[in-house]
Amino acid sequence: AQRVTQPEKLLSVFKGAPVELKCNYSYSGSPELFWYVQYSRQRLQLLLRHISRESIKGFTADLNKGETSFHLKKPFAQEEDSAMYYCALSAGGGNKLTFGTGTQLKVEL
Amino acid sequence: GAVVSQHPSWVICKSGTSVKIECRSLDFQATTMFWYRQFPKQSLMLMATSNEGSKATYEQGVEKDKFLINHASLTLSTLTVTSAHPEDSSFYICSVTETAKNIQYFGAGTRLSVL
Repeated sequence: AQRVTQPEKLLSVFKGAPVELKCNYSYSGSPELFWYVQYSRQRLQLLLRHISRESIKGFTADLNKGETSFHLKKPFAQEEDSAMYYCALSAGGGNKLTFGTGTQLKVEL
Repeated sequence: GAVVSQHPSWVICKSGTSVKIECRSLDFQATTMFWYRQFPKQSLMLMATSNEGSKATYEQGVEKDKFLINHASLTLSTLTVTSAHPEDSSFYICSVTETAKNIQYFGAGTRLSVL
């Protein structure tokens, strides 16, 4: 069975500081990895996915199969980045997602 | 992306009653929808896959007779919590999947409080 681990429940950084939200997964095959974000009082929405290999709102994430990681990074945090971030894995077809427990990012001024 | 409407956003009911939650895809024909449950400060747990025109597929440990799912059209899936009890109090979230792109679009969720 697949599993997604986000070790940090809360990450607090100052505005302008680099951000790294950690995500590790366990799956024996080739999964597809996603980051979903939930801003205050809003619904969950897709931030980025590893197959797109694009930067969204300054965030990037690289799939490291050797370390089974998919960490989310941003070089300079902004106040509007404060939100709940969920790493998710899709594997085995059927489009089902397995979510991590989420990391609350708080960007302080 | 797809626009997903979930109704109601909050419901309070007495123990023993049944509650129906609707999930509508407003601009997208969804053959597959998902239902999740989220306890406070915990992650989303997949309950079931809702398939248009066929029976839902439930995850291990989810009682199919307790959580009835109907997906009668390409734009509507319903989750009925039957004979609700206080332990069923939770946040229920649906999603619509764009199958070809493997992307899910989420509803705003329904907070169920069973007294």
